[in-house]
Amino acid sequence: KQEVTQIPAALSVPEGENLVLNCSFTDSAIYNLQWFRQDPGKGLTSLLLIQSSQREQTSGRLNASLDKSSGRSTLYIAASQPGDSATYLCAVNSSGYALNFGKGTSLLVTP
Amino acid sequence: DAGVIQSPRHEVTEMGQEVTLRCKPISGHNSLFWYRQTMMRGLELLIYFNNNVPIDDSGMPEDRFSAKMPNASFSTLKIQPSEPRDSAVYFCASRRQVGANEQFFGPGTRLTVL
Repeated sequence: KQEVTQIPAALSVPEGENLVLNCSFTDSAIYNLQWFRQDPGKGLTSLLLIQSSQREQTSGRLNASLDKSSGRSTLYIAASQPGDSATYLCAVNSSGYALNFGKGTSLLVTP
Repeated sequence: DAGVIQSPRHEVTEMGQEVTLRCKPISGHNSLFWYRQTMMRGLELLIYFNNNVPIDDSGMPEDRFSAKMPNASFSTLKIQPSEPRDSAVYFCASRRQVGANEQFFGPGTRLTVL
């Protein structure tokens, strides 16, 4: 069974810093990997989707990379802002449909 | 597009009562998923429908849980009878079968069983 781990579980940074969130998975045979943002009491917002054949995807200040062979993905956030404070979830699609989620990284960006 | 719509947003009920959660997927999406989120176990898939047909229900915890998708624009998740351990946030998600396969989530239903 695919196991997804996210490190660190929580992170606090001052505004303006660049930061990296890590995601690792045990089975490298994946279809794609998706990064989500979840605000307290809210649903999941899709940030980036990386197909298994891709190495990275970018959207604004966000950049996600994928190294399938080592079972790792990173989410890079440039010039962090207080509005980036949320929980970030990594989800791996190994079956073709179901997403296996990590427990998330809770990010706090302080002014 | 309105996104995935779920109702109710919050539900408080007593143990033993029947609970029905509702979901309207994004128009044109032919895959629908029900997930459950708890502090202990995180997000887990309960059931997956493709073209209104249940494909994988291995995540449904017990016979007390059932899900239906009578048409392409509506799905229900029913718990009967409900128990306190069913308290969680239930999410519905949808996607197109072809293409990027990106899943889009609804706002969730927070269920509390007393």
